[in-house]
Parts: sequence; C-alpha cells; structure tokens
Amino acid sequence: DAGVIQSPRHEVTEMGQEVTLRCKPISGHNSLFWYRQTMMRGLELLIYFNNNVPIDDSGMPEDRFSAKMPNASFSTLKIQPSEPRDSAVYFCASSIGGDGQPQHFGDGTRLSIL
Amino acid sequence: SQQGEEDPQALSIQEGENATMNCSYKTSINNLQWYRQNSGRGLVHLILIRSNEREKHSGRLRVTLDTSKKSSSLLITASRAADTASYFCATALTGANNLFFGTGTRLTVIP
Repeated sequence: DAGVIQSPRHEVTEMGQEVTLRCKPISGHNSLFWYRQTMMRGLELLIYFNNNVPIDDSGMPEDRFSAKMPNASFSTLKIQPSEPRDSAVYFCASSIGGDGQPQHFGDGTRLSIL
Repeated sequence: SQQGEEDPQALSIQEGENATMNCSYKTSINNLQWYRQNSGRGLVHLILIRSNEREKHSGRLRVTLDTSKKSSSLLITASRAADTASYFCATALTGANNLFFGTGTRLTVIP
C-alpha cells in the first residue's frame, strides 16, 4: 500500500494568501488526523475525522483554519488568510479507527508564510 | 494537558551502546505507543503496549509500562547510527481514537 500521501511537500507564500494542504489516507482507514509541528509547541492535534465526519476540532487555532473530508480518500486543510505564525510542518495521519489504534503519518507539508 | 513528557530531551551515545528514554503521563490510559521521527519525515509507529501489559519486545526495542507510576520506558539495545532520530511516546485513552503525543527525545548515535 502507498501510505499516507500529502501534497505539496513544501509551500512558500505571502501572508494573506489562501493555503490548501491535501491528504490521501491509506485505503481502508476510516480515521484521519491533521497535526501541526513546531519547535516551540511540538506536535499539536488540529482536528480528526471518523468515517469522514469531524469529531474533534478543538485544536483548530482560529476561524482562519478549516478542514474538510468530502470522501474516504481525500481531505484538505485550508488556511485563509495565512499569517507568518502559521509557518510549521503540517502532518496528516490515518488509522483503522477504534480506540487508540496506531497512526500512519504522511511526510508532511512544510509551510512558510512570508 | 494530557500530553506526555519524554526524558531526557536529548541523548547522545556511541554506536553499540544502549539508549533508554522515559515517558511520563497524567491520566489513565488504554494503551501507550512509541513513534520514531527521522529528520524531515513523518512519525513512524514502533510499538504499542496495552495498559494491562508490563513489558513488550520487538527486535532491539524493549518497552516497559508502569501504570501505577504513569510512566513508560523505551530501551534500544545495541544502537546503530541509523537509530538517530526523535522518539515520541503517545497515550491513548479508552473511548477515544486520538492520541496524545509527548514532547520527544532527540537521540543521536555517534558512529
């Protein structure tokens, strides 16, 4: 199996621009997680979905952040408008669902907001 | 916060030596997991230990869990340069799909 696929791997854009990060989970996995990783705050859970339904978005920092999962094989994380403090590595992970199953991570999107 | 904390934050050892990393957490758990992250890559799941288990082995990895002390340790035996990475513990609560990740230990294995 191909693993979790994220795109783009790197994104550099100016503040105020809209940013869309994409994720394709592992086929058959029904839980999907979006994380943000920075040196200062470590790995933070932003939002997760079960069977395409958002379950917990309490980690989404502001209304500028939104996430969708229109089907079982695709999810997006959108930031609009972007700010320099949003610069981080954003990871998507998927699991088969159920209590505390191991998660499979993509290689992340390194986002730089100038 | 339910986030775990790893100790030490950084560890540097010679190739062939053993590396021990510790994780402490705050709440009752369903299971505890350890992950590795190589530079520029995503986290990779290494091993899972359930709350009713005390020790688990996988190749050169040995994990212990003490639920009374709310702590776990990861031992990597006979370390190799390729083991250089950050290691994270993650706790899973009963009834929840999500995990709570610790702050990580940066391991450097010197050839």
